[in-house]
Amino acid sequence: DAGVIQSPRHEVTEMGQEVTLRCKPISGHNSLFWYRQTMMRGLELLIYFNNNVPIDDSGMPEDRFSAKMPNASFSTLKIQPSEPRDSAVYFCASTIYGTSGSLYNEQFFGPGTRLTVL
Amino acid sequence: KNQVEQSPQSLIILEGKNCTLQCNYTVSPFSNLRWYKQDTGRGPVSLTIMTFSENTKSNGRYTATLDADTKQSSLHITASQLSDSASYICVVSAHSSASKIIFGSGTRLSIRP
Repeated sequence: DAGVIQSPRHEVTEMGQEVTLRCKPISGHNSLFWYRQTMMRGLELLIYFNNNVPIDDSGMPEDRFSAKMPNASFSTLKIQPSEPRDSAVYFCASTIYGTSGSLYNEQFFGPGTRLTVL
Repeated sequence: KNQVEQSPQSLIILEGKNCTLQCNYTVSPFSNLRWYKQDTGRGPVSLTIMTFSENTKSNGRYTATLDADTKQSSLHITASQLSDSASYICVVSAHSSASKIIFGSGTRLSIRP
């Protein structure tokens, strides 16, 4: 199993540009999470999906952030327009949604996308 | 306010020694507590998870404890190895609410040969 795949691994862009981060969850997993990690704030949950449906997006910082999951094997996190304070490492994680809920089951993290907005 | 506090912020020990990392939380209603290990430049990897009724869980040389009454958890590492050098993050979840997954700021552990 290849694990959770994220692309790109590194992204450098200029303020005001649109940024799209991509994630392919582990095959068979039906819950997907997007996180952001910075030195100042640590790890933060942005949004999560169950069976391709967004369940909770209360962690999304602003309307500039949007996430989609068009099918079970692909998700995107888009920032438009990007700002320097969006610079962070963005992680995608997946798990299996069980009877205890996806919050209990082990989440498998991707390698992250390091985003730098100049 | 839901919070997870970890101590120490950083720790340096010699290879072969034991160490204990602390996590205090105020998340309510409590669902579960998880310890993650995060190597530099990589995503976190789950070490242990405990629910309210569990007070200890081991994963190899890692042993986590949970005191739900005092809302404290610890992660004990036995016979440390150089590969244990990483950040260790305590994460507490509230019941049925993804918006209440609260992450601690982590303990940066360095193992010296």
